[in-house]
Amino acid sequence: AAGVIQSPRHLIKEKRETATLKCYPIPRHDTVYWYQQGPGQDPQFLISFYEKMQSDKGSIPDRFSAQQFSDYHSELNMSSLELGDSALYFCASSVRGALTDEQFFGPGTRLTVL
Amino acid sequence: KQEVTQIPAALSVPEGENLVLNCSFTDSAIYNLQWFRQDPGKGLTSLLLIQSSQREQTSGRLNASLDKSSGRSTLYIAASQPGDSATYLCAANQAGTALIFGKGTTLSVSS
Repeated sequence: AAGVIQSPRHLIKEKRETATLKCYPIPRHDTVYWYQQGPGQDPQFLISFYEKMQSDKGSIPDRFSAQQFSDYHSELNMSSLELGDSALYFCASSVRGALTDEQFFGPGTRLTVL
Repeated sequence: KQEVTQIPAALSVPEGENLVLNCSFTDSAIYNLQWFRQDPGKGLTSLLLIQSSQREQTSGRLNASLDKSSGRSTLYIAASQPGDSATYLCAANQAGTALIFGKGTTLSVSS
């Protein structure tokens, strides 16, 4: 069965640079969530999209932006990177209104800011 | 605002022991309660999902229960093995919303 795809899997950037993370949800899933997991921390919700519109916002810094495209893939754009942005970034997808509303997670993108 | 707490933060057991991991949540109006496994530096592996209308779910040596009224869920692992060593996270949400995670229980099973 198809799973959530995230790219790249690893990314190394310098401070003040820009990074773009991509998420390809499971086919026919209409909702995408982004989570950030810092070292030794639990995953924290950043932002979500439903049917290409922003659905909810969590603790996402103003330096970050995201969108969901017509093919339902999503991109998280991160500018003016800081050392504290080093983390594992997860994308999850689901079908809103489905019986279980289960979120399926991708393998994550590990971002290292030097 | 939903808060999820996991106790204990760390647990060490010898191989073969049965063990229980605890998860509590403050808002009983949840839709789903999910248990995940995470190996160091790796992604999240979904273990069990319990919907609010359910009491428990089982998968192999794992059994998760849910008591909404008391705001608690437990993950029971039978006959633990060294390969079970990992961090176990529980997370809760309402329908169509983001998951709120606990800080996890780090399990170490010695042979």
